[in-house]
Amino acid sequence: DAGVTQSPTHLIKTRGQQVTLRCSPKSGHDTVSWYQQALGQGPQFIFQYYEEEERQRGNFPDRFSGHQFPNYSSELNVNALLLGDSALYLCASSFGTGTSRNTIYFGEGSWLTVV
Amino acid sequence: ILNVEQSPQSLHVQEGDSTNFTCSFPSSNFYALHWYRWETAKSPEALFVMTLNGDEKKKGRISATLNTKEGYSYLYIKGSQPEDSATYLCATTNFGNEKLTFGTGTRLTIIP
Repeated sequence: DAGVTQSPTHLIKTRGQQVTLRCSPKSGHDTVSWYQQALGQGPQFIFQYYEEEERQRGNFPDRFSGHQFPNYSSELNVNALLLGDSALYLCASSFGTGTSRNTIYFGEGSWLTVV
Repeated sequence: ILNVEQSPQSLHVQEGDSTNFTCSFPSSNFYALHWYRWETAKSPEALFVMTLNGDEKKKGRISATLNTKEGYSYLYIKGSQPEDSATYLCATTNFGNEKLTFGTGTRLTIIP
């Protein structure tokens, strides 16, 4: 049973560029959330996707956008990259809505460095 | 308490000793508390999800308790082993809110 998989694992981008990160949820899961972990902080919620729609959004600018596909996989897009966007981006998956009392599974993350 | 806070930030424990650390959180609108164990270069591993005041959960040598009225949870590790070295994260969710709000973690190092 494959867990949550993310790609790429590491990437380096230049300020102003755009980046796309990808996530495949755990088998049987249909809800995907994205988190950003900056150095010295706990992961911060970016947004959650369910049924191909953004259900909830954290305190992140519109430069952060996402998408969920019919097979439940998801992408996180960040436009006009800033140095401060350098972080570990984690994808989390779960099943259904109102699931925050169920176990939420995480991928290994994508390390983004903006130079 | 306005945010999820974890203490201590880090600790070193001799192999074989037992240890514990704390997660504090706002008790209003509390819905669930999640504990994760996170080793470097791996994905966070879910340990426990706790919801009710007085909940106690156990997984091998690791156990956790929950006090929702005063807003804290303790994680205990009995007879620490080198493989217990990791960062332990707690996170809460509130009613009507799917997002996990994380603390900054407790970094545990077991000294052989």
